[in-house]
Amino acid sequence: KAGVTQTPRYLIKTRGQQVTLSCSPISGHRSVSWYQQTPGQGLQFLFEYFSETQRNKGNFPGRFSGRQFSNSRSEMNVSTLELGDSALYLCASSLVGGNTDTQYFGPGTRLTVL
Amino acid sequence: GESVGLHLPTLSVQEGDNSIINCAYSNSASDYFIWYKQESGKGPQFIIDIRSNMDKRQGQRVTVLLNKTVKHLSLQIAATQPGDSAVYFCAENTYNFNKFYFGSGTKLNVKP
Repeated sequence: KAGVTQTPRYLIKTRGQQVTLSCSPISGHRSVSWYQQTPGQGLQFLFEYFSETQRNKGNFPGRFSGRQFSNSRSEMNVSTLELGDSALYLCASSLVGGNTDTQYFGPGTRLTVL
Repeated sequence: GESVGLHLPTLSVQEGDNSIINCAYSNSASDYFIWYKQESGKGPQFIIDIRSNMDKRQGQRVTVLLNKTVKHLSLQIAATQPGDSAVYFCAENTYNFNKFYFGSGTKLNVKP
């Protein structure tokens, strides 16, 4: 079974631009979570989607948004990019997103904001 | 939010030795824990998990110990190999929050 895939793997943007990242979960997984990973803050939860609905949200500004499609694929969007948005963005999928569901991560998208 | 932290940011061990990586968590209601391994340039990889109704779980060369009294989690790696060099994270989940909180990570450096 294929793992979680994320595209693109690397992105370079400038301040003020917007970006869209994509995540394809493991086949059969319906829950997709997004995380931001930086050296200073570690892994921080952005949001979780299940059945095309945002079910859980972390403490990030409204510039960070996401959506999920009927095939469980998910996208996240960051608008008006800031230098501090430079990070590794990770997507994780699980069967139904229950609190004892194992999350499996993708390789991440490395976003650099200049 | 919840707080999950690690005692040692960097751990260096000799190849063949056993490694112990520690993690403290703050929410006594947390009922599910996972250890992840993250190699450079890759996403976190699931190693082993444990539920709060257990205090020990073993996998292949790895053992996770859970001490709910002191809210402490540890990962033991037997006969550590160079391929074990990575950053290790613990993560906790709580039924009422239903989202994972991650520790800051410990870097394991295996010396040949």
